[in-house]
Amino acid sequence: NAGVTQTPKFRVLKTGQSMTLLCAQDMNHEYMYWYRQDPGMGLRLIHYSVGEGTTAKGEVPDGYNVSRLKKQNFLLGLESAAPSQTSVYFCASSYTAVLNTEAFFGQGTRLTVV
Amino acid sequence: DAKTTQPPSMDCAEGRAANLPCNHSTISGNEYVYWYRQIHSQGPQYIIHGLKNNETNEMASLIITEDRKSSTLILPHATLRDTAVYYCIAFYAGNNRKLIWGLGTSLAVNP
Repeated sequence: NAGVTQTPKFRVLKTGQSMTLLCAQDMNHEYMYWYRQDPGMGLRLIHYSVGEGTTAKGEVPDGYNVSRLKKQNFLLGLESAAPSQTSVYFCASSYTAVLNTEAFFGQGTRLTVV
Repeated sequence: DAKTTQPPSMDCAEGRAANLPCNHSTISGNEYVYWYRQIHSQGPQYIIHGLKNNETNEMASLIITEDRKSSTLILPHATLRDTAVYYCIAFYAGNNRKLIWGLGTSLAVNP
């Protein structure tokens, strides 16, 4: 049982480049989330999805786009990377809106923008 | 969502109980208290959650005060592998699905 899988695990980008982070879950969860974690700060929600074909903005959505074309996948895109987007990115999924259920997290993607 | 306050760091001797406090004095009646931990730089791991009653599972116990303004996570027999950052979160899904994470408590279990 793989749970939540993130690819890639590490990436270095140049300023202005674009990339897509992939999150895949095999638990048939409806809800999926993208967070970023920076030193000295807690996890901050970027975007989330409450089901296939739906997405919504979190706390810090600027500079990111997401898509949920398939229930099991949640993609996070950076159209024009900036050094401020250097961070560790975590994907999570849950059966419901984290009410009476737990969220499962991936192992993270460490992104450096130079 | 209610703001939570936790001490930045704690120490515990291996084999002893680790008691991690959390203050959530502005919690509302429909907000649950969740605990997660993050070992090194791995993804956060769910531990336990509760609303009013005390809860216990194979990992930990959660004690919530009667007025729900604070709670304590108890790891009954801490091991070195319990060294992690522990996050206390008060959350109500409702129409706002934003789970707000603080900085947590960095627990060091010492041999």
